[in-house]
Amino acid sequence: QQQVKQSPQSLIVQKGGISIINCAYENTAFDYFPWYQQFPGKGPALLIAIRPDVSEKKEGRFTISFNKSAKQFSLHIMDSQPGDSATYFCAREGDKLIFGTGTRLQVFP
Amino acid sequence: DGGITQSPKYLFRKEGQNVTLSCEQNLNHDAMYWYRQDPGQGLRLIYYSQIVNDFQKGDIAEGYSVSREKKESFPLTVTSAQKNPTAFYLCASSGGRRYEQYFGPGTRLTVT
Repeated sequence: QQQVKQSPQSLIVQKGGISIINCAYENTAFDYFPWYQQFPGKGPALLIAIRPDVSEKKEGRFTISFNKSAKQFSLHIMDSQPGDSATYFCAREGDKLIFGTGTRLQVFP
Repeated sequence: DGGITQSPKYLFRKEGQNVTLSCEQNLNHDAMYWYRQDPGQGLRLIYYSQIVNDFQKGDIAEGYSVSREKKESFPLTVTSAQKNPTAFYLCASSGGRRYEQYFGPGTRLTVT
């Protein structure tokens, strides 16, 4: 099974700082690379997604950077806020959606 | 409000009993999915259905069964054959691209 490797497992950031979560995949035969956000006790929700022919996509404070040659993509959260504290999952879309293992982000005031 | 409902939120069962988790959607989506979430392991696909009366095994289907008799409903049965059933179960649906899935609030199953 083609996996998606996600790091770090947990991340602590001060309010106003930049949160960076990284993911790596094993081949390029995928259509989209989405990121999901999950608050405790809730189901995940789609945050942002990028196509492999695009190097960067920005939506508000959230940016996906995609490095096709390195087979890596990352989520940057600018000006991190306590309300961003959640678990974030990267994923790749192939014949199924395969998720990374998740990163628990804690943003402290 | 359109969305996905899962019930109950918490479920407790004794070992050896089958249990059925409910998932209903009113988004008019064709595809529905069941995932299992364990700490440190992300979301793993159990079963999925792309159309009524059809479904496929995911990566961890052993010990689980599903049915898809109606477009809006996709119940999951956790059988006594599932060796480690205690987990958080998530149902999702999608109407277009597979990457855009809408998740329900989940059911936390505890088997003792």
